[in-house]
Amino acid sequence: AQSVTQLDSQVPVFEEAPVELRCNYSSSVSVYLFWYVQYPNQGLQLLLKYLSGSTLVKGINGFEAEFNKSQTSFHLRKPSVHISDTAEYFCAVRPYNQGGKLIFGQGTELSVKP
Amino acid sequence: GAVVSQHPSWVICKSGTSVKIECRSLDFQATTMFWYRQFPKQSLMLMATSNEGSKATYEQGVEKDKFLINHASLTLSTLTVTSAHPEDSSFYICSARDWSSGSIKNTGELFFGEGSRLTVL
Repeated sequence: AQSVTQLDSQVPVFEEAPVELRCNYSSSVSVYLFWYVQYPNQGLQLLLKYLSGSTLVKGINGFEAEFNKSQTSFHLRKPSVHISDTAEYFCAVRPYNQGGKLIFGQGTELSVKP
Repeated sequence: GAVVSQHPSWVICKSGTSVKIECRSLDFQATTMFWYRQFPKQSLMLMATSNEGSKATYEQGVEKDKFLINHASLTLSTLTVTSAHPEDSSFYICSARDWSSGSIKNTGELFFGEGSRLTVL
């Protein structure tokens, strides 16, 4: 079985400040890792993904994440946030060879203040 | 990227009626689609995996007679909430996997619809 834990339910931050959204996972099998963003009343948009190779992955909108296998973490970071980054962020894992099923974390609400 | 469309975006219905939500892959064929449910301020919970031409696979605790899923073609899956009650009010999101690309097939990337908000009065 797999589980995903996002350690912060809400993260308030001022504009242009750096931010880190934390994600830890548990799995008995290898997984792919994803971060999604959701704006109010909308579906999910993929920010970035880790499949293999370099553990530092870069995504859209200036976000990046680093896969740490020993700590089973996949934290999301951005060096300087904008008001428009205010949204809900979800970390997710997909186990290998399970047909595409995604297991989501609880979500982190990022609130960027001026 | 690939496009997945849901319809309707919003639906309000009376208790006891049935509501159908469509999920379409617009520019690729999706043999597998996934239906999620999201309560306010909460995460997405997988309800079922929809397989083209066969029965859906439901997650534990999801009533298959309550949430009917049909995947009759490679581009369309439907979720019907039967005899809806206020507790069924939620945001329903579908996703689809594009098997046509070998790289995507192996990476597990899914494309999500815009979501459908159901309110049962």
